Parts: sequence; C-alpha cells; structure tokens
Amino acid sequence: EAEVAQSPRYKITEKSQAVAFWCDPISGHATLYWYRQILGQGPELLVQFQDESVVDDSQLPKDRFSAERLKGVDSTLKIQPAELGDSAMYLCASGTSVNEQFFGPGTRLTVL
Amino acid sequence: AQSVTQPDIHITVSEGASLELRCNYSYGATPYLFWYVQSPGQGLQLLLKYFSGDTLVQGIKGFEAEFKRSQSSFNLRKPSVHWSDAAEYFCAEVSSYKLIFGSGTRLLVRP
Repeated sequence: EAEVAQSPRYKITEKSQAVAFWCDPISGHATLYWYRQILGQGPELLVQFQDESVVDDSQLPKDRFSAERLKGVDSTLKIQPAELGDSAMYLCASGTSVNEQFFGPGTRLTVL
Repeated sequence: AQSVTQPDIHITVSEGASLELRCNYSYGATPYLFWYVQSPGQGLQLLLKYFSGDTLVQGIKGFEAEFKRSQSSFNLRKPSVHWSDAAEYFCAEVSSYKLIFGSGTRLLVRP
C-alpha cells in the first residue's frame, strides 16, 4: 500500500539554527499539505500545494518558514531560524482533493 | 470562523466497554466531516467520513459515527473497546477548502 514518506522522523536543534523537513507524497497525488501540530492540539494547515504551485500559505509564518515543491512531486519545509515555539510535530499529507488526504508519520521537532 | 469542538480532553473506558467521543461542528451548510485516529508519535489515519446520505457512517476498526444536523454533532462510537484503541482521536470538517481539526480526545483503555 502506498504511503506518504517523511524524513527525518525526529529532529533536535538549537534555536537560531536552520532545519528542513522532507516529504514524498503518494505517487499521482497532485495536492500536498504541510501541517503543524503542537502538543495537545489538532493539526493546523501551514501550506497547500497543487502540483508545484502554492494554493494556500496564509498560515505560514513567512518571515522564517518556507516551503517548496519543485517539479510537483516531493516537498521541503524549512525553518530559519528556528525558535523555541516551533517545537511541534510537522505532518505532511497528500491527496487528490481536500476530502481525501493521506498523512505521513510526521517529523517531531524539538528546539532547545 | 468555523470551528470543531471536542469537549472531552481525556476519556477512560474499560476494555470491552462501549465508547462515545463527542464532536460538534460549526459550519452551517451540509458539512464534510471526518474522524481520524493518531497513535503516539504517528501520523493520522482516517477512520470514517461523512459527506451526505445515510447519517450513520461505518468506518474501519469497528467504529461508526452519527451525523445529527439538529445538534451540529458527529459523535464517534464503538460498541466494545479494545486495548489497541488507546490513542488520540480527532474530529475534522472541511471549511473553505481546508481541513479544520478539533483539539482531540485522548482515549485511555483500562485492562
């Protein structure tokens, strides 16, 4: 069964450092989502791609976060510089529509 | 703003007992509703979804949910809980082409 892949699974970094997360969606899925899930809360959408284009990045803190999906396949989410409040689970999902999203295992980020 | 409310932060049930997790949505029109489960340190797995039609929806792992428009609710149920059901459960709805999640309910299962 096809799955969304994410790496790394865990990342520990110091504040002010740069971090990057990678997501490989299920083959054929044009839509890709990055969510942030703070401990004890539900996921919140950071950015949505349709193929290589950003559809919605209204909740992405653009002063420090960036996301790209070159060639419309895999995607990278970057934080520079990381802050203590960025500690969270970062989830990637892919799908054919908003009603059909498949989630990856996530990257747990800890900022010290 | 649209929101999804899960009023119970934690619920503890004994293995074999029945379960009901509450969810209230706020979007007024016919909602697209979902229940997801998340095991510790893992991503989300879809349990079931409701778009239209029969208001009682069957999902995976023996779960079902009932849509009640009059109460703006979409509660998740299971007749007999297994220890492996211990996890966090999220209700979600589509709003403005986005999935909006509730804050989750953590299910603990007593032996």
